[in-house]
Amino acid sequence: DGGITQSPKYLFRKEGQNVTLSCEQNLNHDAMYWYRQDPGQGLRLIYYSQIVNDFQKGDIAEGYSVSREKKESFPLTVTSAQKNPTAFYLCASSTPEGTGGSGYTFGSGTRLTVV
Amino acid sequence: SQKIEQNSEALNIQEGKTATLTCNYTNYSPAYLQWYRQDPGRGPVFLLLIRENEKEKRKERLKVTFDTTLKQSLFHITASQPADSATYLCALEGYSTLTFGKGTMLLVSP
Repeated sequence: DGGITQSPKYLFRKEGQNVTLSCEQNLNHDAMYWYRQDPGQGLRLIYYSQIVNDFQKGDIAEGYSVSREKKESFPLTVTSAQKNPTAFYLCASSTPEGTGGSGYTFGSGTRLTVV
Repeated sequence: SQKIEQNSEALNIQEGKTATLTCNYTNYSPAYLQWYRQDPGRGPVFLLLIRENEKEKRKERLKVTFDTTLKQSLFHITASQPADSATYLCALEGYSTLTFGKGTMLLVSP
């Protein structure tokens, strides 16, 4: 079955450490996205990529980095520069014109906790 | 700046009734609007899309309306069931991405 896989489901990080969240899709979608969700805040866009080897900053990119070396993969690194990294992170994908058609397909999320 | 508003208070209704959720937006002229369902601890799931030239769209027990003059979309679930209990998000097209509202929690009691 096609879909998006995020791993791990839960992640604990010590302050000052970088961590990388994995996102893999087998939907053959060109576009991929990372959102952060906090209680009462809704989804906020971190980074997005519409094609391999290209990505753009979203609304809250500071303290995060991404890469898009393969169409299927869009990993997110939460760096030590991110001041409040504890949150629920969601990865999504879509066809380029498909944001208007079939919507986004989301992964099941990674809950990151800084300890 | 662009702003999307959904009722932050949970909507409680009885099984069998029609649930109506509201999405208002400002400083937007979106070509389309989408609705998603999100269960606790899970990613959102796409439900419906409605374009600016469509007034109404239906899918099974779901109905969405889109009034570009009022800048408002209404999301209806008819004959609601306890399994419909979830948070419902509206999302509007932005610059190559979607911007999401904060969502409204729906609780359907038996």
